[in-house]
Parts: sequence; structure tokens; C-alpha cells
Amino acid sequence: AQRVTQPEKLLSVFKGAPVELKCNYSYSGSPELFWYVQYSRQRLQLLLRHISRESIKGFTADLNKGETSFHLKKPFAQEEDSAMYYCALYTGGFKTIFGAGTRLFVKA
Amino acid sequence: DAGVIQSPRHEVTEMGQEVTLRCKPISGHNSLFWYRQTMMRGLELLIYFNNNVPIDDSGMPEDRFSAKMPNASFSTLKIQPSEPRDSAVYFCASSLRGPDTQYFGPGTRLTVL
Repeated sequence: AQRVTQPEKLLSVFKGAPVELKCNYSYSGSPELFWYVQYSRQRLQLLLRHISRESIKGFTADLNKGETSFHLKKPFAQEEDSAMYYCALYTGGFKTIFGAGTRLFVKA
Repeated sequence: DAGVIQSPRHEVTEMGQEVTLRCKPISGHNSLFWYRQTMMRGLELLIYFNNNVPIDDSGMPEDRFSAKMPNASFSTLKIQPSEPRDSAVYFCASSLRGPDTQYFGPGTRLTVL
């Protein structure tokens, strides 16, 4: 079955601490994975995609096919990182499956 | 481009009433998606269209839900009759190609009393 799992609904860290938002997927093909972010009162928007292998706002995500994971990481969290984060998997045929989301709260 | 446009932004209705949500995708995009966001279940894909044709509606929860895309610049999601458990934020998104970035609208917050 095609599935995206984000095990944490809420993640709370202190400013300056490292943060890791977990994402695991289930897919038989070659995955294309994304992280989307929704800041307060803003639209859901793309944060990064694995094929770009880029760092956006200090965030990185590495695809680990062995562990079927695509965890989002940042070494030093900032208050402005507080938002809802969704991991997403493109499954072909124009369809993308989203995880349930993790709300990140960065405390001062 | 103003991005994906959704209307209304907020809708409050009573149980049993018909609700119609509207979406205008980004010009030139050929894929359109309807999602429902709730605290419990996160972001769920309800239905998506490619070139105005519904491709997969397996996420539509019940027959009370229906969606149409009469042309490339407009889509509707209708709930008839509405129920309190339909209360959620409904998002519309569009993209140019399947694996490309999806661009989301601001959402419609629906409250069914």
C-alpha cells in the first residue's frame, strides 16, 4: 500500500536546539518525496523536494531508501520555524499522498 | 498571477444544507486537487482532475460529496446534505505536471452546525 507516516502530531523544541521531523513512506516504486510547510495564516507551500538535494531555510532532508524514510532536519531551530509540516509522496498519475502532518512549536 | 483562488474563505451552515466550494486554479496548470484538512486526519486527498477530467475520486468520503471541473479555470466541490462531521478546512491545489510542486489556495473553513 502507498502510505506516508508522520508519527508525531506535535513536536516542541527550544530555540537553538536541533529538530528532526520524522517521515516514513511505503511505496513499491522509485519515490519522489516532498516536504510542505504551512505557517500561521499562510498557504501551504513547498519547502523542499528530495531530488533537488537543497537546503531551504536551513532545513535538509535525505532520502533513505533502506529505511524508507525522508526525515526533515535543522541543526538550530528558530521561532519562525513554528508551523505545520507535511511530508508528501508522489505516486504517479498526478497523485501525491500527504502524511497527517507534524506541528512544530519552537519555544523561546 | 494571484495564485489559486478559493471562495468563500469561510462558510457557516446548518446541517442538511447544501454547500458549494469554488476554486480557480493557476492559469496554465492542468491538474487540480481537492483536499480536506482536519486535526485528527491531517491532509486528505479527496479528488483530483487532469485536463478537467476526474482521475481519482477514491478519497471522496461519501456520495454526499461531488466535484466538477467544467473548464480549465474553475472547479466546485459540493456537499449535499452537509453534516457536522464535514467541518474542516478544504483546500484546492493545482500543478502543471504530476510530480511538480502543487500550489495551494488559501482554503475554505467550513463549519456545519
